[in-house]
Amino acid sequence: DQQVKQNSPSLSVQEGRISILNCDYTNSMFDYFLWYKKYPAEGPTFLISISSIKDKNEDGRFTVFLNKSAKHLSLHIVPSQPGDSAVYFCAATQAGTALIFGKGTTLSVSS
Amino acid sequence: ETGVTQTPRHLVMGMTNKKSLKCEQHLGHNAMYWYKQSAKKPLELMFVYNFKEQTENNSVPSRFSPECPNSSHLFLHLHTLQPEDSALYLCASSHGSGTFDEQFFGPGTRLTVL
Repeated sequence: DQQVKQNSPSLSVQEGRISILNCDYTNSMFDYFLWYKKYPAEGPTFLISISSIKDKNEDGRFTVFLNKSAKHLSLHIVPSQPGDSAVYFCAATQAGTALIFGKGTTLSVSS
Repeated sequence: ETGVTQTPRHLVMGMTNKKSLKCEQHLGHNAMYWYKQSAKKPLELMFVYNFKEQTENNSVPSRFSPECPNSSHLFLHLHTLQPEDSALYLCASSHGSGTFDEQFFGPGTRLTVL
């Protein structure tokens, strides 16, 4: 059974608008969450993370929100740019153990 | 070269072949990982090496055999694979594996088993 779920396989957004990528998890013991971005023919690259003791972390255009009671996190990209078009993976870890990844969401930003 | 490199980038092999995937990291990290990414599935962790010692084996079939001769190099030896083993194999490294450390990924090897 998947512990980290990204239920939307794809998302299309216009340039300049907000992109919201969602991730749900089932293991309440997860204490650290990450987002990775992957371009075709490249490996995933780390984007942003959040500890379970926080509910928000911001880095430039990227903000991750964590709702522990709902076991839900989201990645907001504002404003979206065509270069943001990629596959975004949500991942979670418990006490520094191996990362558990979601299946990914393909974001397409049109100009 | 910088970062994490993987060779070959693409590999086609028959079920009776023996081949090896190579990963090299130039980041001075102590932990290295092998992941498998199959179509429409999440990344699956296969093996973890920390300071050249294998610390995790995620119930991977014995037809996959990892080797870590030093902290900079990681191999995945393949033999008698099945068509369902066709996937993208990603290598990653991090400072350590005991606590969370950002993992840096290589570009992957696209493996096709005929």
